Amino acid sequence: DAGVIQSPRHEVTEMGQEVTLRCKPISGHDYLFWYRQTMMRGLELLIYFNNNVPIDDSGMPEDRFSAKMPNASFSTLKIQPSEPRDSAVYFCASSPYRTASYEQYFGPGTRLTVT
Amino acid sequence: GNSVTQMEGPVTLSEEAFLTINCTYTATGYPSLFWYVQYPGEGLQLLLKATKADDKGSNKGFEATYRKETTSFHLEKGSVQVSDSAVYFCALSDQGSGYSTLTFGKGTMLLVSP
Repeated sequence: DAGVIQSPRHEVTEMGQEVTLRCKPISGHDYLFWYRQTMMRGLELLIYFNNNVPIDDSGMPEDRFSAKMPNASFSTLKIQPSEPRDSAVYFCASSPYRTASYEQYFGPGTRLTVT
Repeated sequence: GNSVTQMEGPVTLSEEAFLTINCTYTATGYPSLFWYVQYPGEGLQLLLKATKADDKGSNKGFEATYRKETTSFHLEKGSVQVSDSAVYFCALSDQGSGYSTLTFGKGTMLLVSP
């Protein structure tokens, strides 16, 4: 099993540009999560999906952030326009369990730097 | 609401030393408890878990016991190795409200020197 796949692994962009992060969950997993990790705030849950439907997006910091899951094998997190304070490591995770409360499998993350 | 508090790091130890990383939690229901580990440059991976009071989770020489009376889930290892250097996250999942997600602590960095 390839695990959760994220791309790109590193992204450097200028303030004001659009950034799209991509995630392929493990096949057969019902839940997909997007997290952001920074030194100051730790690990924050941004949004999660169940069977491709967004369940809770209360962690999305602003309207500049949006996430989609058009099918069971692909999700995107978009930031438009990007700002320096968006610099962080963004993780995607997936889970096979019905209640989304058990083990989550994390991807390697995308390190985003906004200059 | 739910919350997890971990001891601040970094924790610096010599190889073969005993490790304890403290974790306490606040939850409205009956949570399951987890320890995740993040090695440099990687995502988090599950280290161990416990789903009810007095359960002991164990893996790779690490152990943690679910203590409901003290709302704690401290991580221990009898003899650490350099390869254990990583960031350790305590987390809980409270299923009382139906849909449930993981609440993570801020993480504790462990540095083990030869």
